[in-house]
Amino acid sequence: DTAVSQTPKYLVTQMGNDKSIKCEQNLGHDTMYWYKQDSKKFLKIMFSYNNKELIINETVPNRFSPKSPDKAHLNLHINSLELGDSAVYFCASSTPGLAGGRLSQYFGPGTRLLVL
Amino acid sequence: QKEVEQNSGPLSVPEGAIASLNCTYSDRGSQSFFWYRQYSGKSPELIMFIYSNGDKEDGRFTAQLNKASQYVSLLIRDSQPSDSATYLCAVNGDSNSGYALNFGKGTSLLVTP
Repeated sequence: DTAVSQTPKYLVTQMGNDKSIKCEQNLGHDTMYWYKQDSKKFLKIMFSYNNKELIINETVPNRFSPKSPDKAHLNLHINSLELGDSAVYFCASSTPGLAGGRLSQYFGPGTRLLVL
Repeated sequence: QKEVEQNSGPLSVPEGAIASLNCTYSDRGSQSFFWYRQYSGKSPELIMFIYSNGDKEDGRFTAQLNKASQYVSLLIRDSQPSDSATYLCAVNGDSNSGYALNFGKGTSLLVTP
C-alpha cells in the first residue's frame, strides 16, 4: 500500500500551459512538502504546508501554487509553464516529533515534468 | 543561506569494503540529520536519521554525528553492488521553513564486484 503517491508520473507539455500535479499520503501525517529536483539532481524545497500554515520558499515563482483540499492531499498547480520548469517534482510528508524539528520525511515517486 | 555540503564523487569501493560518506552543514543550530539513498530515476529513500552526537548503527549502516565540527557521516559496511546509488545528506530547517529538509547535492557511490 503506497504511503505517498503522486500523479501523473510523467508530464510532457508545451510552454505557456497550466498543469497540476496531485499528491496523496495515507500515513496520517499533518505536514506535506513539495521539492524540486533539477537536472543536476539538486533537491530543493518549494513549499511546506500543514492545515494551518503555508510556507513558501522565497525563490519559487508565484506561478507555482499549492492547493490542499484536505489533510491527506497537497496538489501543485503551475501556471504559464516555462522551459526552466522542467524537472522532477517530489511530494513528501512528515509529522512533528516531540521536539518539533525531529521529522522523518517520506517521499512520493516523483513527477517528471518536461516543458517543450 | 543554510548549506549542506557533500563531495559529489563518484566514490568507488570494491564489494565487501567499507564506504564512507561525509557531509558538513553550516547551521550550528541544526538538530536533525538524515541520510537518504536515491537510485537513478527513483525517489529518495530514508536510510538513517540521527539527532545526538556519536554513532547510530542500523544493520550495515552507521551514522556518525559531531555537532561541534558540524559534521555527519554515513558508513556502509560490507558494501554490495546494490548499494550503488546517490546518497543525500539532509538537515532539518527550523519552524520558519516548516521544518523542510536542506539537502546536499549528493555523493554518487559505485560498488564494484
